[in-house]
Amino acid sequence: GAVVSQHPSWVICKSGTSVKIECRSLDFQATTMFWYRQFPKQSLMLMATSNEGSKATYEQGVEKDKFLINHASLTLSTLTVTSAHPEDSSFYICSARRREPSVGELFFGEGSRLTVL
Amino acid sequence: GDSVTQMEGPVTLSEEAFLTINCTYTATGYPSLFWYVQYPGEGLQLLLKATKADDKGSNKGFEATYRKETTSFHLEKGSVQVSDSAVYFCALGNQAGTALIFGKGTTLSVSS
Repeated sequence: GAVVSQHPSWVICKSGTSVKIECRSLDFQATTMFWYRQFPKQSLMLMATSNEGSKATYEQGVEKDKFLINHASLTLSTLTVTSAHPEDSSFYICSARRREPSVGELFFGEGSRLTVL
Repeated sequence: GDSVTQMEGPVTLSEEAFLTINCTYTATGYPSLFWYVQYPGEGLQLLLKATKADDKGSNKGFEATYRKETTSFHLEKGSVQVSDSAVYFCALGNQAGTALIFGKGTTLSVSS
């Protein structure tokens, strides 16, 4: 149990376009979802925290107008990279915390590799 | 604030060697501790966890014991395999709805 699915797993887009990444908890309700960004050979950088039905909380330095996060239901959160530029190319990973039971662990999606040309 | 420190990698071992990846933490309260593994091109998978002092998490031959007195959660495996080659992340968290705090990750490379 506790499966998180991310889609697409990879995407290539032109500079200036927008890309949407979906994150779904398949077999549990996620009270909170987190979006991370990972650069090559580096750790995960938390971008934002989203709770179902409320606005996402962004980490310092993350542009909320560029990285739009919507948490429409207890099983779905989306990250939209707006007006993407090459510097936005990265590996984006979502994670979810289930409602119950939980000792705080997160369940991660497979990740989405974005390449902006 | 809370933080996690992992040993620098990469760690290169021969098959069947003993593995230790050190992890220490700084935290207020009583966090839960986790080890995650990331295989190339994939997301993170929970490897094991411990929720209180002296708990031992174990999975797939890996073990880690929550040591409050030394604020450590070192990952060990008695005999590594080539398939264990991956990046390993130590993390701490709580139940308050906040995100996990990750160490920088340690790359393990096992050769046959």
